[in-house]
Amino acid sequence: DAGITQSPRHKVTETGTPVTLRCHQTENHRYMYWYRQDPGHGLRLIHYSYGVKDTDKGEVSDGYSVSRSKTEDFLLTLESATSSQTSVYFCAMGTSNEQFFGPGTRLTVL
Amino acid sequence: DQQVKQNSPSLSVQEGRISILNCDYTNSMFDYFLWYKKYPAEGPTFLISISSIKDKNEDGRFTVFLNKSAKHLSLHIVPSQPGDSAVYFCAASALETSGSRLTFGEGTQLTVNP
Repeated sequence: DAGITQSPRHKVTETGTPVTLRCHQTENHRYMYWYRQDPGHGLRLIHYSYGVKDTDKGEVSDGYSVSRSKTEDFLLTLESATSSQTSVYFCAMGTSNEQFFGPGTRLTVL
Repeated sequence: DQQVKQNSPSLSVQEGRISILNCDYTNSMFDYFLWYKKYPAEGPTFLISISSIKDKNEDGRFTVFLNKSAKHLSLHIVPSQPGDSAVYFCAASALETSGSRLTFGEGTQLTVNP
């Protein structure tokens, strides 16, 4: 009954390659978010979207871009992956009263 | 500048006892607070929340307390169960200034021993 999914769930890539992570929701939520989780840092907001084609930066947006061409899809792109972007990435939907998270994507940049 | 801090990376308690997880914040504009629970290899799931107009919210075994003057909130789990073992994240939002955005703490790993 997952209303929000992420793909791929795991990815290993090399430094300098572009990577795109996909988030898909079936709940028609207006707001969507991308976070990264790292030990000692908790969850940090990368980018968020408040509607189709409406996006804004979060606290750790450098090196990342996003796109939202449809309500249900929110894409996160690493234009040129670096080892510091090795992390677990979570997509979420909802508002500040409650956000629902996807299962995460574990990305390793070698 | 960490606006939401969870100073205890880990906590270990015995089954049946109380677990108390703490969270401090620095931004006085925060007006809504949430706790999330995360199991390994899964996304965080919402647990309980509290508005700044309240000082306590209870939901079954889970109670959140808010002390605005101290900029401190805590999550109490009574009685603790082994299935409560997970990472707990505190989060805060400031509707006036940051809209739908949440700021998370670093997380506390809770281990409940049988």
